[in-house]
Amino acid sequence: QVHLVQSEAEVKKPGASVNISCKTSGFNFNKYAVHWIRQGPGQRLEWLGQITGGSGNKRFSQKFQGRVSFSREISATTAYMELSSLTSEDTATYYCVRGSSGGPLFVDWGQGTLVTVSS
Amino acid sequence: DIYLTQTPSSLSASVGDRVVITCQATQDIRQNLNWFHQKPGKAPQLLISGTSTLQPGVPSRFSGSASGTEYTFTISRLQSEDLGFYFCLQYENLPYTFGQGTNLEIK
Repeated sequence: QVHLVQSEAEVKKPGASVNISCKTSGFNFNKYAVHWIRQGPGQRLEWLGQITGGSGNKRFSQKFQGRVSFSREISATTAYMELSSLTSEDTATYYCVRGSSGGPLFVDWGQGTLVTVSS
Repeated sequence: DIYLTQTPSSLSASVGDRVVITCQATQDIRQNLNWFHQKPGKAPQLLISGTSTLQPGVPSRFSGSASGTEYTFTISRLQSEDLGFYFCLQYENLPYTFGQGTNLEIK
């Protein structure tokens, strides 16, 4: 069974960075991308980007490029996202989501990590 | 970027009602659209992929269709457990983009 388990909620001050982990299991980490999506209060969901487990190839939403970075630890089947220069507009729940290997996209989601940016 | 206009933003309906939600895309997305349901405090659940393919275990009262760049999601007979937030996703082009969502409440 596929699982994506994310790190706990974070409270950050404006200007800080946040790092979220996504521990995966139940599938071949090397063959899938892990995507990062956020859901802000009253906002539509936003796709931040993705990292492929095996190759480490990354794709970014232009909106976040330069401020977001993705990494992964293959042996631990874990993906990471770091978002820097936080503002109050980055307050949101961040999800890691398994990509597709030919099947439907975004079947499997992490439980979400709430990031609150407040002074 | 492809923009999805989802309507309505909220609706209230009774058990047994037919519910329709639409997503209008700003360009041809070749049926590369999914529909999700999210209950409060939970991660989204994929209901329909590729415009009209029901995911395993999803009740047949849910359906999806398209006409041109307008995509339609239908609940044929609303059940009480269907309350929550519904949204569409296009995956034709990067960045993947989402509709603004529909909050569905039960009368």
